[in-house]
Amino acid sequence: EILLTQSPGTLSLSPGERATLSCRASQSVRSSYLAWYQQKVGQAPRLLVFGASSRASGIPDRFSGSGSGTDFILTISGLEPEDFAVYYCQQYGSSPGTFGQGTKVEIK
Amino acid sequence: EVQLVESGGGLVKPGGSLRLSCAASGFTFSSNAMAWVRQAPGKGLEWVSSIGTSSLYRFYADSVKGRFTISRDNAKDSLYLQMNSLTADDTAVYYCARGPPQYSDYDQLFDFWGQGTLVTVSS
Repeated sequence: EILLTQSPGTLSLSPGERATLSCRASQSVRSSYLAWYQQKVGQAPRLLVFGASSRASGIPDRFSGSGSGTDFILTISGLEPEDFAVYYCQQYGSSPGTFGQGTKVEIK
Repeated sequence: EVQLVESGGGLVKPGGSLRLSCAASGFTFSSNAMAWVRQAPGKGLEWVSSIGTSSLYRFYADSVKGRFTISRDNAKDSLYLQMNSLTADDTAVYYCARGPPQYSDYDQLFDFWGQGTLVTVSS
């Protein structure tokens, strides 16, 4: 099973700032099958990025994903008030698909 | 608009059973794999089980193998999770999630999620 480690655990930023979230895998992720999800309090997760860098339908272009192999990044280029949430990475190239423990982006 | 609506959660005693349901709409249900993902209170996401479009394949997390059974009824656009021998560790919000279309190279990418149903296992 592939272990995903997200850092930092919490990111304290102000609206308008750039957020950089990291996800490191314990072994190479097949075909860069790495996704990012956003979860707000009391809501279901929402798919943001798949295939490491492809935005899901309806996702604003301030969200961008990059990386390959074992190291992946989610960047939010300018935080909007609605972006403060928990973000999870997930690898789906190997079964079982596994999730990282999450990064909370909070208002500074 | 894709919609997934879970039901069937509640309070159950350790060792008990529960059956979750997920009603799907807004897409051709029989064309996508489906899955259950859970989230314990204050914790992260954990994949539980997936099922292929024609139920030919069913996969389970080690933590639920032998106790949980996933199924689907394509005629009713519905997904189910039969949960037996429940323990406190199974306490979580259970999400129904849409997987990829048939013949995809992967099966655990989830592009739509329901709002979840809470299962509490306690005496």
